[in-house]
Amino acid sequence: GQQLNQSPQSMFIQEGEDVSMNCTSSSIFNTWLWYKQDPGEGPVLLIALYKAGELTSNGRLTAQFGITRKDSFLNISASIPSDVGIYFCAGPLYNNNDMRFGAGTRLTVKP
Amino acid sequence: NAGVTQTPKFRVLKTGQSMTLLCAQDMNHEYMYWYRQDPGMGLRLIHYSVGEGTTAKGEVPDGYNVSRLKKQNFLLGLESAAPSQTSVYFCATTSSDRTNYGYTFGSGTRLTVV
Repeated sequence: GQQLNQSPQSMFIQEGEDVSMNCTSSSIFNTWLWYKQDPGEGPVLLIALYKAGELTSNGRLTAQFGITRKDSFLNISASIPSDVGIYFCAGPLYNNNDMRFGAGTRLTVKP
Repeated sequence: NAGVTQTPKFRVLKTGQSMTLLCAQDMNHEYMYWYRQDPGMGLRLIHYSVGEGTTAKGEVPDGYNVSRLKKQNFLLGLESAAPSQTSVYFCATTSSDRTNYGYTFGSGTRLTVV
């Protein structure tokens, strides 16, 4: 069943605002991945995290691997309309072929 | 260089019909995966393959079969479609030495079973 809990489920923000979303689990993960899915497309990898406490940026995106290894956070600064989509967290539960995904955070950006 | 290509993109089936979804990749990746995406559920792993001629069950394998006769192709079959299999199906791939670096996904197949 679902192992990763993402919140919020959806967000409606104004262009230019910053966004924060998170992913938590009752299980420990050794890798955290963040994907973005555009409408009608498959998910695309945004950021990968491999060490507890790690903070990694990709342009306006910043993600952190929680110290407890049971959570991760994704921040988007100065949102723009093309940030619209569904953001998924993911991580391998038992092995790298057992990748689990959160239910996603749906982001809407109003111009 | 197409990456990961899924066919068909859309399909409507009647209950009890069968069909095969095709995933083709040109990246020479060893590992291939089939996921289904349902509203509020995220992506759930159906079956996967770690190489030509090998397959394994994922989290939700019931009602599906797979085959990996060629390295570049991974087929997902529904022998007798049920309305509960209405979903968006995604294929993903990765190389054997980069499984924890994230997957490359296809654009999906939207299947409706009526």
